[in-house]
Amino acid sequence: AQSVTQLDSQVPVFEEAPVELRCNYSSSVSVYLFWYVQYPNQGLQLLLKYLSGSTLVESINGFEAEFNKSQTSFHLRKPSVHISDTAEYFCAVTSSGGYQKVTFGTGTKLQVIP
Amino acid sequence: DSGVTQTPKHLITATGQRVTLRCSPRSGDLSVYWYQQSLDQGLQFLIQYYNGEERAKGNILERFSAQQFPDLHSELNLSSLELGDSALYFCASSVTSKVAGELFFGEGSRLTVL
Repeated sequence: AQSVTQLDSQVPVFEEAPVELRCNYSSSVSVYLFWYVQYPNQGLQLLLKYLSGSTLVESINGFEAEFNKSQTSFHLRKPSVHISDTAEYFCAVTSSGGYQKVTFGTGTKLQVIP
Repeated sequence: DSGVTQTPKHLITATGQRVTLRCSPRSGDLSVYWYQQSLDQGLQFLIQYYNGEERAKGNILERFSAQQFPDLHSELNLSSLELGDSALYFCASSVTSKVAGELFFGEGSRLTVL
């Protein structure tokens, strides 16, 4: 069985400040990891993913996440947030190989304060 | 626009009733996933279909059922509705059933049970 824990349900941060959204996972096998973003009244969109290779992955809008196997973490970071980053962010995990479901965390609401 | 279409966008019904939610996946995507999003439970995986066949089952109640048709669209049937079934129901699609890639989410169907 696999699970994802997002400890912070809400994270307020001032505009242009850095932010880190935490994600820890649990799985007995190799995993793929994802961050999805949900803007108000919209569906989820993939932000970035780790499948293999470099443990640091980046998105096109400045977010990055680092896969840390020893700490079973996949924290999301951005050095300087914008108002437009206000959204809910979901960490997700699936086991590599086979026909596997994707398990999502409970989400973290990022509120960027002007 | 993710390319995944869900209907209806909003639905209000009474307890004990039955509703059908419809999902058209992106062109070319063979896998369809259903998720339930509620305030207290977060994003819960319900069920996955691949090319018409059930591939994985999550926390789907016996009162709920789903199917994927030959044209690859999918329907989620919810019966004997209870107040607690009020939620946002998302459909997502992907190219393959082996989830190494991206899930594309529709905008959801918001169900309100009164």
